[in-house]
Parts: sequence; structure tokens; C-alpha cells
Amino acid sequence: SQQGEEDPQALSIQEGENATMNCSYKTSINNLQWYRQNSGRGLVHLILIRSNEREKHSGRLRVTLDTSKKSSSLLITASRAADTASYFCATLGNTGGFKTIFGAGTRLFVKA
Amino acid sequence: KAGVTQTPRYLIKTRGQQVTLSCSPISGHRSVSWYQQTPGQGLQFLFEYFSETQRNKGNFPGRFSGRQFSNSRSEMNVSTLELGDSALYLCASSLRLAGGPNTGELFFGEGSRLTVL
Repeated sequence: SQQGEEDPQALSIQEGENATMNCSYKTSINNLQWYRQNSGRGLVHLILIRSNEREKHSGRLRVTLDTSKKSSSLLITASRAADTASYFCATLGNTGGFKTIFGAGTRLFVKA
Repeated sequence: KAGVTQTPRYLIKTRGQQVTLSCSPISGHRSVSWYQQTPGQGLQFLFEYFSETQRNKGNFPGRFSGRQFSNSRSEMNVSTLELGDSALYLCASSLRLAGGPNTGELFFGEGSRLTVL
């Protein structure tokens, strides 16, 4: 079974608006990562947050992590049409071996 | 630095056949992971190879197998194909250090899209 679950499953916004995606996971983690996938392509790593970090920024991306609630959020500010893609959270666990497990993803559509 | 290369990009097979997919990782990366992506199940972890040994395995039947060569290139094989094996198969390499620490950050190829008729 998948480790993470994203919410919402799909999100449609206007260009310039902010997009927020949430992720919940089940077990203890080493870190949590966010990836982006354009339709039918490979995934691209966006940002990583370690279990002892609470917030991280990278350009227009802001990630938060709440290990007590086993949840994370990805905020994309000032969205652009080029941000249209699927976004996945992924976790590297503390146990169970070196494997990164992905959630179901959020499909983001940014209208120009 | 060249990225992760997967071949073939597209292929069509019929039920009962077998297929082999290839993945060349980023130079210096010794860990290769394989994922199956379908609309219904999302991204499912198949297995991970490190230093020519399968180190981690997902919940897939024995029809799914893989191997890694001394140059870190990896292949995965699916035997006795079923319609449900139609999917995008993604390979990802990682700079895994034997002694750690490791972030698990993955670098993906473009995938091999398999259609089973």
C-alpha cells in the first residue's frame, strides 16, 4: 500500500493564485520529498524536508512538515500555467529499507 | 552529466509474452529503483538494486524480476504478461552511500510505456 495520500486529488486555479497541496503518511519517516510529473513523463524532484525540519523554501515553493500529525503541505505561490502537472509527496522511512514510497498525487491545473 | 536513460520508450506486447526493460542510471549512482505507474494504483514500488543486489522489494508477483550489472545499469523483466501489466514503468537512480546517510532523492528517467493487448 502507498505510504502517502495527497489532498486534494485535483485542483484548478487561475494563474497568479497560490496552490496548496496536502500529504499525509502513515509511518515514521527519515524525510519527505515532493516531486512533479508532467503528463506521461518522468518525475522531477522539487524539494526535500527532513524529519527534524518544520519548514523549507525553494523559490516559489514552501513546504511544511508536521511529524506529530504525519502530514506535509506544499504551497506554490503565484502559480503559472507552466506549473500545470501532477505533484506527488514521497517518504523515505526509518525502517523497511531504502525505498521511497509515493502518494497518489494531486493534479494541478493552472488556467492562463 | 547525462540523466537516467530508459529503453525502449514505448512497446506493445500480447498476453503471455515477456518483456525486458533497460535503465542506465546517472553516472556514479549505484542505486536503481523501479516503479510501476498506472491510473488506478498510482506509483507502486517494484524493487531497488544496489551494488548488483536486490536490496528492497515491493508487493509484486514473481513474474516481475530484475537485475543490476557491475556498471550499475539495470534491467527488469516481466514474464507471462497480463493485461493489467499495462503501465508506465519508471526507473530512478539515487546516490546511495553504503554507509549512509542517504536522502532517498530519486532521479527519474522518462519511463517505458508498456501496452499489453
